[in-house]
Amino acid sequence: GENVEQHPSTLSVQEGDSAVIKCTYSDSASNYFPWYKQELGKGPQLIIDIRSNVGEKKDQRIAVTLNKTAKHFSLHITETQPEDSAVYFCAASIAGNQFYFGTGTSLTVIP
Amino acid sequence: GEEVAQTPKHLVRGEGQKAKLYCAPIKGHSYVFWYQQVLKNEFKFLISFQNENVFDETGMPKERFSAKCLPNSPCSLEIQATKLEDSAVYFCASSPGRESPLHFGNGTRLTVT
Repeated sequence: GENVEQHPSTLSVQEGDSAVIKCTYSDSASNYFPWYKQELGKGPQLIIDIRSNVGEKKDQRIAVTLNKTAKHFSLHITETQPEDSAVYFCAASIAGNQFYFGTGTSLTVIP
Repeated sequence: GEEVAQTPKHLVRGEGQKAKLYCAPIKGHSYVFWYQQVLKNEFKFLISFQNENVFDETGMPKERFSAKCLPNSPCSLEIQATKLEDSAVYFCASSPGRESPLHFGNGTRLTVT
């Protein structure tokens, strides 16, 4: 089955700086890549997603890039704010049959 | 509703007791997924449904775990004879169709003592 690896496991940045989280996947059939933000005591919330026919997608301060050849995708958060502090998960899916999650990145934004 | 509703929020069971968790998907969503989150970060897929039919059950420990999604009722996940290692947060997620994002509930924290 699919294997998703996520790095780093923890990340601290100063407020206003950028944060980058990287994921790799193993199955070239994966075609949908969502990113989730999980705050303490809550369920993961979708923040952005990308499909395999697109190389990059942006939504305000958040962007995701996908390199299908190298089988990796990244989350970029610019102008970080304290409320961005949370655990972020990447995921890969083959036609929505099942979603495979990375092991999470705990992001801390230092005011 | 507009949110996935999971109940109860917390559940404590003695080892060997039964545990039953409930999930009301977002209205109009035909897919329901159950995940177990252990060690804070790892998501383990358990089972998915398309309406009331099992879609994928490859993650289910079949000897003690069972799940249902019946029409006009919340979906349920039942664990017979709970073990200590079943302690985890169980998340339900729904989606409107395949290749659509999952919308998660806030989970049920199961503690087996």
